[in-house]
Amino acid sequence: RKEVEQDPGPFNVPEGATVAFNCTYSNSASQSFFWYRQDCRKEPKLLMSVYSSGNEDGRFTAQLNRASQYISLLIRDSKLSDSATYLCVVNTNAGKSTFGDGTTLTVKP
Amino acid sequence: DVKVTQSSRYLVKRTGEKVFLECVQDMDHENMFWYRQDPGLGLRLIYFSYDVKMKEKGDIPEGYSVSREKKERFSLILESASTNQTSMYLCASSWGTGRTGELFFGEGSRLTVL
Repeated sequence: RKEVEQDPGPFNVPEGATVAFNCTYSNSASQSFFWYRQDCRKEPKLLMSVYSSGNEDGRFTAQLNRASQYISLLIRDSKLSDSATYLCVVNTNAGKSTFGDGTTLTVKP
Repeated sequence: DVKVTQSSRYLVKRTGEKVFLECVQDMDHENMFWYRQDPGLGLRLIYFSYDVKMKEKGDIPEGYSVSREKKERFSLILESASTNQTSMYLCASSWGTGRTGELFFGEGSRLTVL
């Protein structure tokens, strides 16, 4: 079993749709959590950190459930420019970042 | 802005050749990392370093070595390249020794081994 698992998708949604991605992790000692975005043939870039109380950044909402060991990302009012691969990242206190394989989102007009 | 620069965007090498991939960051970050990214396998950590002359094995260190002689530079070395090392190699850096903050990535080096 992989340490960090994501539904690979692809998710194909129309503009304006709401879409949610989930990610599960197996290491209960994980300390911090992130969502990264990777455009085609580009490097990953931080989208947002995920805090225990949940956090929001514009149209993006991230949630963490430590008891069930999963994190989620909700995108509201999808834009064409949201098309990308979204990577779930889980860090341990040993300083190691473990990436999920990514979920591919395509937003269509 | 943080800048992580990888020396080569595209390389083609032959089996058995020695390959050097260079990475330089300009933000005085303590931590530097080398990942490889393959379809269906995601990003996998090869080696990382929290300080000059320090290195730690990641999840897939076999066939690779690293060097960190200066804080800003982290090199990945393939002593004898093999076809299964054909991949996208991504260097990243972050601040805070041993901490796990935001990773800043270079643009990647796509290596093909024939």
